[in-house]
Amino acid sequence: TQLLEQSPQFLSIQEGENLTVYCNSSSVFSSLQWYRQEPGEGPVLLVTVVTGGEVKKLKRLTFQFGDARKDSSLHITAAQTGDTGLYLCAGAYGNQFYFGTGTSLTVIP
Amino acid sequence: NAGVTQTPKFRILKIGQSMTLQCTQDMNHNYMYWYRQDPGMGLKLIYYSVGAGITDKGEVPNGYNVSRSTTEDFPLRLELAAPSQTSVYFCASSNYRPGTVTDTQYFGPGTRLTVL
Repeated sequence: TQLLEQSPQFLSIQEGENLTVYCNSSSVFSSLQWYRQEPGEGPVLLVTVVTGGEVKKLKRLTFQFGDARKDSSLHITAAQTGDTGLYLCAGAYGNQFYFGTGTSLTVIP
Repeated sequence: NAGVTQTPKFRILKIGQSMTLQCTQDMNHNYMYWYRQDPGMGLKLIYYSVGAGITDKGEVPNGYNVSRSTTEDFPLRLELAAPSQTSVYFCASSNYRPGTVTDTQYFGPGTRLTVL
């Protein structure tokens, strides 16, 4: 079993603030994905990173894959209420994906 | 395209009963996955398949069985349901092997199962 730990587990911030979510493991992954999940729905992919040190930007979201491909971070600039949801990281290892424990984000207007 | 569909959406089982959760995808994807998600937690892989006729165990396979007779369908069977199997079950599919930049998993809407 490949463990992925996310921090923080819960995050409540005011609209307009910045935040960073971390995803850490002792295992090396082929790729690292970030998903957002709304209540009552399945996760939706935000980004996939495959190269150590890679940085990807998606509008106000910045994703980074650690140099050793063991960890990743998600940074949101100027959070909006629409960013509220459960953020999940997932690492690819062999033919499987291992999901992190999740970060529940609430953005308060 | 309907994407990934799952039935039923909700189900209540009594301890010891059996049921099959249905999953169908219309994207001609080779890879299919079954996950369970407990409240406020991430997803745990139960079983996966890399193509018709090929299945393998994930992290938490005990108490479940799968089959993959066609590319489109990947049913999950629960035998002798137990309260520990109360969870939300998600089916997903992908056209690429995990670890590639295009390995997008498309998830179904989930089945909410309660075992009493």
